Order: sequence, then structure tokens, then C-alpha cells
Amino acid sequence: QSALTQPASVSGSPGQSITISCTGTSSDVGTHNLVSWYRQHPGKAPKLMIYEVSKRPSGVSNRFSGSKSGNTASLTISGLQAEDEADYYCCSYAGSSTWVFGGGTILTVL
Amino acid sequence: QVQLQESGPGLVKPSETLSLTCTVSGGSVSSGSYYWSWIRQPPGRGLEWIGYIYYNGNTDYNPSLKSRVTISVDTSKNQFSLKLSSVTAADAAVFYCARYFRDSYYFDYWGQGTLVTVSS
Repeated sequence: QSALTQPASVSGSPGQSITISCTGTSSDVGTHNLVSWYRQHPGKAPKLMIYEVSKRPSGVSNRFSGSKSGNTASLTISGLQAEDEADYYCCSYAGSSTWVFGGGTILTVL
Repeated sequence: QVQLQESGPGLVKPSETLSLTCTVSGGSVSSGSYYWSWIRQPPGRGLEWIGYIYYNGNTDYNPSLKSRVTISVDTSKNQFSLKLSSVTAADAAVFYCARYFRDSYYFDYWGQGTLVTVSS
């Protein structure tokens, strides 16, 4: 069970859109539509932003969207805002009642 | 509002057992809708799922940690606990407890995290 692969960092200007990828294998992301995304501000606990690949919890802005193709899931944030600057983690069901997270992506709003 | 709070020693000696407890308020560990989880984050690194427990005591663990991990639940105290044996410096991390919603497959409520250092 290896960590999912995310880019170390991405950046964008306010108002722009960015996409963070999350690459797994046919044993996790590729097989199960159970990918979730979490945002973590420094020193804080992670917050759920997307679940089951593309569903948004109540209270999460519709600027956040998720998708999946093959073994890669993606999180897109549109209309970037300063408050979006944080670390983002993907997470996938990996079979046999186990879960695997990505290594995390630092989002910088320029 | 559900709240989770981790507690336990912030310093553990190498080769000893790390023990943490998570106290749940605003919700019940006896609810059949949730699993109660432990997740850790080494300093400057990503998240790692450790394992979780159901109210009836059923557990699942990360295969890479399974031989050293025990998660237990105390429904009378509305708490669940983590034990990680034979710790090394590589086990130093912020440890989070979190609630896993089984019907929608996500971790929805998290504790604030507690830093555990491994040093003699």
C-alpha cells in the first residue's frame, strides 16, 4: 500500500483556476469511486472538501470540484481566493477495509 | 456539533508503547453509522491512515503498521484509544483521531491533533 502521488506544489493567481492531481493504482483510485479531498491550513486539522470523487459536503463552496479518470483523481478550484492557500490531500479506499492518502500538495495563491 | 479531542503523553521513549485516547463529545461512539479512526502526520509530511474501530470492537489496520497497532473502544466513556508498540523516531508525528462516515466513505470530523515525539 503506497501513498497516492500528488504534485508537491501548485500555484495560481486570485480568480484563476488550478487543478491538483492524485495518481494511484488499479487497486485504489482506479477501482473505487471513493476518493476524497481534504484541505489543511497550517497547524489545523484537515477539512473535508470533496467525497466520492465529486460530491461536495454541505457548506463547501461550489468553486471546488472533483473528477477521476483511470487511476488519477483531480481536484479543481476555480476563482482562486487567498483563503484557498493551504495543503491539500487526496484519500482513496484501497480495498480490504484500508485507506491511503496522498503525499499532499501545497497550494500557493500568488 | 461533534468534537473529538486527543490526549496522551507528548513524549515516548524508543522501543516503548505510545498510548493515546480520543474523547468524543456531541456524538456517540456507539453509533452504527461511523468508524472511529486514527491518522498520523509526521512533521512536514503527509497523512497516513493508521486504522479504525467500530463500536462493536471490529478493527481494521494499515497493513504496514498492523503488527504494532491496537485500537480499542470504551463505549461507557465515549472514548477510543490507540496503542503503537516498539516506537522509533520514525513514529514521531501529529496524531489525529477522526470520525469515518461509513455510508459516504469519508472522514468528516477530526480532532485538533496531538504531537508525539520519540526520544530518550
